[in-house]
Amino acid sequence: AQSVTQPDIHITVSEGASLELRCNYSYGATPYLFWYVQSPGQGLQLLLKYFSGDTLVQGIKGFEAEFKRSQSSFNLRKPSVHWSDAAEYFCAVGVGNDMRFGAGTRLTVKP
Amino acid sequence: DAEITQSPRHKITETGRQVTLACHQTWNHNNMFWYRQDLGHGLRLIHYSYGVHDTNKGEVSDGYSVSRSNTEDLPLTLESAASSQTSVYFCASSPGTGGFFSYEQYFGPGTRLTVT
Repeated sequence: AQSVTQPDIHITVSEGASLELRCNYSYGATPYLFWYVQSPGQGLQLLLKYFSGDTLVQGIKGFEAEFKRSQSSFNLRKPSVHWSDAAEYFCAVGVGNDMRFGAGTRLTVKP
Repeated sequence: DAEITQSPRHKITETGRQVTLACHQTWNHNNMFWYRQDLGHGLRLIHYSYGVHDTNKGEVSDGYSVSRSNTEDLPLTLESAASSQTSVYFCASSPGTGGFFSYEQYFGPGTRLTVT
């Protein structure tokens, strides 16, 4: 069955530290891949997306993600986290007319 | 500025009542979607529309219906509300044709629905 897994429910990092949020998917075909961010009480905002081509994708707010076909992964990274990055992050995967979101990873940033 | 709005932002209703949640977008996007967000499940697609008079079922469509009479609006109706439908509901829209996930989705602020 098609699925999207975000293994980490909650991650805490110190401000200025690097960040990696994991996303794995299970699909028969190579899907379209997205990362969204949700601030408290808000809707989701797209950070970046991968359709094809270069497997390292740059997004907004200094985020990047790398598609690894062999690992069925699309991990999100940021070299230096800011306090304003505290939010919930969702990986999303689309194939055909099927769009699935992961359960989300909540990021806490320590001062 | 173009935007997508949802109303009401909060709603409390009783089991068995019909409830309609409104979604209005001024982006002039062809594609519109309804999701529900529950702890531990992320977002799950309820219904989507590729244009006027087009509607399609998503992953969790049972108990919900939508209609698309114009480009701007996609109201979501709960025919007979159940406690299992207590959730936060998000509407989204995206431009383009030929597969909604090909384009960025713009999300509304959400409606928190409680069914007692």
